[in-house]
Amino acid sequence: SQQGEEDPQALSIQEGENATMNCSYKTSINNLQWYRQNSGRGLVHLILIRSNEREKHSGRLRVTLDTSKKSSSLLITASRAADTASYFCVEGGSNYKLTFGKGTLLTVNP
Amino acid sequence: GAGVSQTPSNKVTEKGKYVELRCDPISGHTALYWYRQSLGQGPEFLIYFQGTGAADDSGLPNDRFFAVRPEGSVSTLKIQRTERGDSAVYLCASSPGLAGPYEQYFGPGTRLTVT
Repeated sequence: SQQGEEDPQALSIQEGENATMNCSYKTSINNLQWYRQNSGRGLVHLILIRSNEREKHSGRLRVTLDTSKKSSSLLITASRAADTASYFCVEGGSNYKLTFGKGTLLTVNP
Repeated sequence: GAGVSQTPSNKVTEKGKYVELRCDPISGHTALYWYRQSLGQGPEFLIYFQGTGAADDSGLPNDRFFAVRPEGSVSTLKIQRTERGDSAVYLCASSPGLAGPYEQYFGPGTRLTVT
């Protein structure tokens, strides 16, 4: 897999607000995955969107994928303090290893 | 069910010593991965096992690093002659394997500090 680049590098919002994080990638993909990492639960897979999908929802998460622009976005609605974490996007090819960027550090203030 | 477990959670060792880090994957997962994460960075791939064999060890930084998975379940990452630059969090992950794409399930990591 290739490395996605997350933007912004850091984001600070108030509880209840929505948070949007963006990801750009360079190669053709089969899928794109988002992971979250915080001190409490470690590194956790959030959602996978396949290259033939444009949007996917999971609870308060909404992921979009634009393969023509090689970009993806992760929207977290009605954020909570527990959403404070680093978020990584990872391009998925047909292989197995994940290549992480530096991620977006999201801080949700109570 | 039980997730991926790693032991020890913390390891402090002196420069030049040998260390072993252990990973217990989710039962039934044939694929196992090791990553290393330095402060402020994302995890960096080290090695991938499919069953007992190392299918890809291209991420191991040098020959001081070695990993085994003799019975296709538990894996041990071994670091010889540790250096201060080896200090990092070592993460293990597993997935069902064989065909993807599969999400990877990560353990809590081992924080290695080389003094």
